[in-house]
Amino acid sequence: QITLKESGPTLVKPTQTLTLTCTFSGFSLTTSGVGVGWIRQPPGKALEWLAVIYWNDDKRYRPSLKSRLTITKDSSKDQVVLTMTNMDPVDTATYYCAHRTTARRIFDDWGQGTLVTVSS
Amino acid sequence: QSALTQPPSASGSPGQSVTISCTGTSSDVGGYNYVSWYQQHPGKAPKVMIYEVSKRPSGVPDRFSGSKSGNTASLTVSGLQAEDEADYYCSSYAGSNNLLVFGTGTKVTVL
Repeated sequence: QITLKESGPTLVKPTQTLTLTCTFSGFSLTTSGVGVGWIRQPPGKALEWLAVIYWNDDKRYRPSLKSRLTITKDSSKDQVVLTMTNMDPVDTATYYCAHRTTARRIFDDWGQGTLVTVSS
Repeated sequence: QSALTQPPSASGSPGQSVTISCTGTSSDVGGYNYVSWYQQHPGKAPKVMIYEVSKRPSGVPDRFSGSKSGNTASLTVSGLQAEDEADYYCSSYAGSNNLLVFGTGTKVTVL
């Protein structure tokens, strides 16, 4: 059974850097074809993918946010970390991490999400 | 990277069918057979209902079906049930650089 859980601050100030951790179980990020991605959803709005990291350390970023995002993995701890710099109130959203495979190209298992509010 | 276009809302009575469209471009929906659909109930994480245009993951009722024609994909929910009331998002692979794009979302109401 695959599970993922996001953790991190619930409140950040404008211009600060957000660091979110996704801790997962039920799969390994050393298995060929496996990846973990981050997706966010502002309140009442649509889903927006942010970044994905794969077993071979290949990384993909949303082009419009690429300069602000960094995704890393620690396979020994079964964790993926997302950092987003220069946070702004428009970045207020629920942030999800999710399991992905190169074979099916879908996010087939999701964490519960964590709401991050950007406010001074 | 523009979001795929979906109608804001759709509705149907129990037992009826509802179809949701998802319009993209030749760089995403029209270019790949990697369209997926996600169902999201309020306060919950999305759940994949359809992948690779028309495939259903294990456990998803066969009332859910998907198709694609050109740059437009569609999700049909047949035999609507109360628990189908949710937001639905389409998504498409968009190449190795853009990776993927989500739709604008459709709220399905069961009357």
